[in-house]
Amino acid sequence: AQSVSQHNHHVILSEAASLELGCNYSYGGTVNLFWYVQYPGQHLQLLLKYFSGDPLVKGIKGFEAEFIKSKFSFNLRKPSVQWSDTAEYFCAVLYNQGGKLIFGQGTELSVKP
Amino acid sequence: DTGVSQDPRHKITKRGQNVTFRCDPISEHNRLYWYRQTLGQGPEFLTYFQNEAQLEKSRLLSDRFSAERPKGSFSTLEIQRTEQGDSAMYLCASSRNLLGGGRKETQYFGPGTRLLVL
Repeated sequence: AQSVSQHNHHVILSEAASLELGCNYSYGGTVNLFWYVQYPGQHLQLLLKYFSGDPLVKGIKGFEAEFIKSKFSFNLRKPSVQWSDTAEYFCAVLYNQGGKLIFGQGTELSVKP
Repeated sequence: DTGVSQDPRHKITKRGQNVTFRCDPISEHNRLYWYRQTLGQGPEFLTYFQNEAQLEKSRLLSDRFSAERPKGSFSTLEIQRTEQGDSAMYLCASSRNLLGGGRKETQYFGPGTRLLVL
């Protein structure tokens, strides 16, 4: 079955710390990969996406993610987090050009000022 | 783009009542999706449309749920005989899917309708 797993349910960091959030997906052929972010009280927003080409993709607000096909992973990184990065982060996969997104459980990030 | 809009934003109902939610996609987006999200979980796919056609329904979608997109623009999601287990956030998303361009489809989400069934 197609599934997406996010390793950490809740991450707490201090400002300026580096961030890496894990995302693994089950094998299922061709994939498009996404990270969405949900700030408190706001709706899901696209952070970055991977369709093809360079496996290192850059998104908004200094975030980046690396697609490692051999590991079925698409980890999200940011070298230095800010208090304003406090939010819930969701990894999502689109398999085989199908319509629906399969989401991970989400990781809640809390950044202490 | 004005973004995806959903109405109402909140709905409280009693068990057994019917509820209907509306979603207006980004203009010129031909695909429209419905997801459900419960606390501590990621969104879960329910169904989606390409123009007027409903292309896929989740097996999780009981026959109490029905969705329509009659003119290929806005969509409605109706839940009949609501149950407490239906309490969740119902999310709508839209995308522009071009023939042969499916690999580059990006879904944009609305603010959701939060349903509480008492």
